[in-house]
This record gives sequence, C-alpha cells and structure tokens, in this order.
Amino acid sequence: NAGVTQTPKFRVLKTGQSMTLLCAQDMNHEYMYWYRQDPGMGLRLIHYSVGEGTTAKGEVPDGYNVSRLKKQNFLLGLESAAPSQTSVYFCASRTAGATERSRTEAFFGQGTRLTVV
Amino acid sequence: AQTVTQSQPEMSVQEAETVTLSCTYDTSESDYYLFWYKQPPSRQMILVIRQEAYKQQNATENRFSVNFQKAAKSFSLKISDSQLGDAAMYFCAYRTSIQGAQKLVFGQGTRLTINP
Repeated sequence: NAGVTQTPKFRVLKTGQSMTLLCAQDMNHEYMYWYRQDPGMGLRLIHYSVGEGTTAKGEVPDGYNVSRLKKQNFLLGLESAAPSQTSVYFCASRTAGATERSRTEAFFGQGTRLTVV
Repeated sequence: AQTVTQSQPEMSVQEAETVTLSCTYDTSESDYYLFWYKQPPSRQMILVIRQEAYKQQNATENRFSVNFQKAAKSFSLKISDSQLGDAAMYFCAYRTSIQGAQKLVFGQGTRLTINP
C-alpha cells in the first residue's frame, strides 16, 4: 500500500542548480498537486493537474515547472534554484471518484526537504 | 480568494485534558468542505476530521470533534482526553472548487504540545 511516494526525501542544492522532484501515486487518482510548506505560512499550492497531460498554476508558481506525462506521475522542476525555494515540498493526489466523500480526501506524500545554499 | 486563519501559533495542554484549536476562514461560497490535518514530526499529513458546510451537525471522530459556526465562519477543533501521540502541528484547511480541481487552502498551523 504505497499511496503517494515522493523522491527524493532530502536534497541540498547550490544556487543556480536544477533538479526534479518526482511524485508517484498508485491509486489511479486523476488530480495531483504540489505544495510547499514554509514556517508560519502553512501549505501553499504551487501547481496542480486535473489529468494526464494537463497542468495549471497554483498560488505560488514562479520558479517552478511541472509535467504530467503519465497519470501516475507528477514532476516538479526547478530550473535554477534560489535560496527562497528552500522549503518542504508535498505532493498530494485525489480521486474524481463516484462518491462525494471519496472525492473530498486528499492523500499526501511524506514530503521532500529541499535546501538551497 | 478564500483565506484560512489560525491565530494560535502554539498551544499546550496537560495529558488527559481537553484543548481547542481555533480556525476562521473567509469565503463567498455557500457550499464547501473544511478539514483538520495533523502533521507529526514524521511530516506525514494525516486527515483528522472533515465537515461539510451544508451539514449543521458538527463532525466527530472519536476524541476529535469540531465546532462549526457557518455564519461566523469559524471551525474549531476540540481534542478530548489529550494523549502524548496528539502532539503535532495541526492545519485547518478549506476546499475550494475551481474548474473541478477543488484545491485545498491551508491555515498557518498550530503547534500542539502535550505535557505529561
């Protein structure tokens, strides 16, 4: 019962380096989300996807790109990392299922702690 | 835009006592969902309880219950018989619906400490 898996769990980057965070879900969920968590600010939405091949901007999209080539995977890319992108990143997924109750619950990965120095 | 505010950055309670975490939100929608998530040191986000706005009855899950005041846009979480395992960061969240994506909007979080 893997659920939502994020890779890697920890990473340290130098300013200007690039990297990709991988989110994989095995629940056949249609919707996937990337959030960042910063102290005192809760979780803020970066990008989201309503299905394979589609993505959209969230609240704080600048400096990030995403892709969803396969339904089960949602990739978050940082092309040129900046210290302001030091954060904990969470991926979440949700079904567009048959019942309202099933559609309300989002499942989260365990987060990726990224430090940009 | 919807906003969620948790005005208590930190709270503490004695083990076995009751504690209430506050949350207020702002929205112009009439139908929505509200959630409380727990984040222990493991970082895992765990759904504690959910409330449908169209339901007047407050949601309850074992020792966790909410006080939902729709007119006041208030959604507090009550934890009864607090246990050491309840120590965590708690986030209040609102579910908005935009083009079917139904994104979550989170509050700033409240760190709960349980004193033995």
